[in-house]
Amino acid sequence: AIRMTQSPSSFSASTGDRVTITCRASQGISSYLAWYQQKPGKAPKLLIYAASTLQSGVPSRFSGSGSGTDFTLTISCLQSEDFATYYCQQYYSYPFTFGPGTKVGVK
Amino acid sequence: EVQLVESGGDLVQPGGSLRLSCAASGFTLSGYSMNWVRQAPGKGLEWLSYISSSTSTIYYADSVKGRFTISRDTAKNSLYLQMGSLRAEDTAVYYCARVPTRTYYYMDVWGKGTTVTVSS
Repeated sequence: AIRMTQSPSSFSASTGDRVTITCRASQGISSYLAWYQQKPGKAPKLLIYAASTLQSGVPSRFSGSGSGTDFTLTISCLQSEDFATYYCQQYYSYPFTFGPGTKVGVK
Repeated sequence: EVQLVESGGDLVQPGGSLRLSCAASGFTLSGYSMNWVRQAPGKGLEWLSYISSSTSTIYYADSVKGRFTISRDTAKNSLYLQMGSLRAEDTAVYYCARVPTRTYYYMDVWGKGTTVTVSS
């Protein structure tokens, strides 16, 4: 199975900050990567698929990049509603594994 | 509105069985592949099972293979997860999620989840 790691596991930030989260796959997955946002008690929400394609309705301050094994999710100007946990997921091959998550907290 | 609603979660004893349902509205379930994903309390997301739109392809995570069965009822526009030989570590919120394309297995629509607690 492909193992997904994320860094950092958590950090604190302020509104207006530029935030970057890293996701790494244990083997190459081309661009078969999605990013999800999850708030406490809520279902995950798709933000980005194919590593860099923004899901319809997702604000343009979110962006994704990378291919192969290394990927990043960037929030260009953090808003109050962006404090949440973010997960990457590979769908290159089954089992479709998630990263352990990165929690973005309030500084 | 495109929506998924899970149901069937309950408190069940170790070794017991449970069937989760996922009712779709706003779209025809048979036209899409679907996944089940779970989240144990305070933990991350764990993919469990996939069923293709044609039902010809089914995958399971090793953690549930042989114990869980995914299925679909076209007439009821619903997805199911039959869970057996339940263990304490199966305690989690269970989500169903839609796969929007035939070849890329990310998930664009999620239900709100149903809670399964395995305890004596």
